[in-house]
Order: sequence, then C-alpha cells, then structure tokens
Amino acid sequence: AQSVTQLGSHVSVSEGALVLLRCNYSSSVPPYLFWYVQYPNQGLQLLLKYTSAATLVKGINGFEAEFKKSETSFHLTKPSAHMSDAAEYFCAVTSYGQNFVFGPGTRLSVLP
Amino acid sequence: GAVVSQHPSRVICKSGTSVKIECRSLDFQATTMFWYRQFPKQSLMLMATSNEGSKATYEQGVEKDKFLINHASLTLSTLTVTSAHPEDSSFYICSARDGRRQNTIYFGEGSWLTVV
Repeated sequence: AQSVTQLGSHVSVSEGALVLLRCNYSSSVPPYLFWYVQYPNQGLQLLLKYTSAATLVKGINGFEAEFKKSETSFHLTKPSAHMSDAAEYFCAVTSYGQNFVFGPGTRLSVLP
Repeated sequence: GAVVSQHPSRVICKSGTSVKIECRSLDFQATTMFWYRQFPKQSLMLMATSNEGSKATYEQGVEKDKFLINHASLTLSTLTVTSAHPEDSSFYICSARDGRRQNTIYFGEGSWLTVV
C-alpha cells in the first residue's frame, strides 16, 4: 500500500521568504509523485510531477521539487514567496495502474 | 486549457432529490476515472474508481446505492447523488487517467454541491 505524509498542516512564511513544504511517501514500487495546489473555492491544479525522469522537477509559478529516494521525500520549494501563493497544497503518490493517494494537505499562508 | 471538464461547477438541490455530476475527458480516452470527495479542511477522499464499461469499485464506507457512478464511454463518467441529504453537501472532484500515458492523471475543476 502507498501512503503520503505532509509535515505541518499549516505553514506561514513572509513574502519574499523561502517556501518549503514537506512530503514523504511510502511505496513498495517505483512511485510517481505529484504536487497539487488548491486555491479557495477552486479545483486542484497540477504544480509539478515526478515520473522517473529527472529527480529535480520544475513546475509552474516558480515551484520545484526534488525526488530523494533515500529519504523517500518529495519536498516542494520556492525561493521567494508571493502573496498569491497562499493556498492549500497536496502531495500525492501513485504508481502504474494504481489509485492516487493524497497527503492531508498543507495550508500555506504568506504574510506581508 | 482544461483537459478534464467537470459540470456543474456549483449546484444547489433540495433534500430528497438527485443530482448528477459529469466528468469528461476532452482530448484523450480515459480508461479509468476516479471520484473524490473533500470535506472542509480535509484532504481528498477517494470514493470510487470506475473503468469504462464495467462497474465502479467503491471504497469502504461509500454507499454505492447512494453515489451512483456510471462510466459509459471512454470520455464520460457521471456521479449521481441520489436522495440527497444536507450531509452530502461537499466538494466533489473527478480525475481521469490517460490511457496512453498511465502515469498521467488529470483533474476536473470540481463541483460544489449544496443540499438544502
């Protein structure tokens, strides 16, 4: 079975500061990993995905994530937070032919 | 642009009525579609998985007679909430797996259901 944990249900950063959202996964088979963002009253939007190619994945809006197999992690980062980054972020794992498993989500607040 | 279209985006219905939510893949054939429900301030919960032409597989605790899922074609899956109750008010979202690229999942924009 696969699982995802996200450390920190709520993260606050100052505008311009580094954003780091943590995601750790458990999978017995090679995983595909995703980060999604959900703005209030909107659906999910794919930020980036890892599908066994480059371990450092660049996504939209300046976000990137690095797949570290030894640490079973896929943390999401952004060098400089913007007010518009305030949202809920979900990490998810799947594998070939498997369902998606989502983490509990991390709410990001950006302080002026 | 969106590759999975979900409709309606918002719907209000009266208790006891049924409401249908559609999920369409716009430019690919979706061999598998997933339906999720999101409770306030919680993560998504998988309700069921549907494969085209076969019965949906429901997750434990999800009432199959209440949440009817039909995946009649490779581009359309529907979720019907029958005899809706205020507790069914929630955010429902579908996703579709691209049959040509098994590692690619696309999400619909979700549907807000309010039962009054």
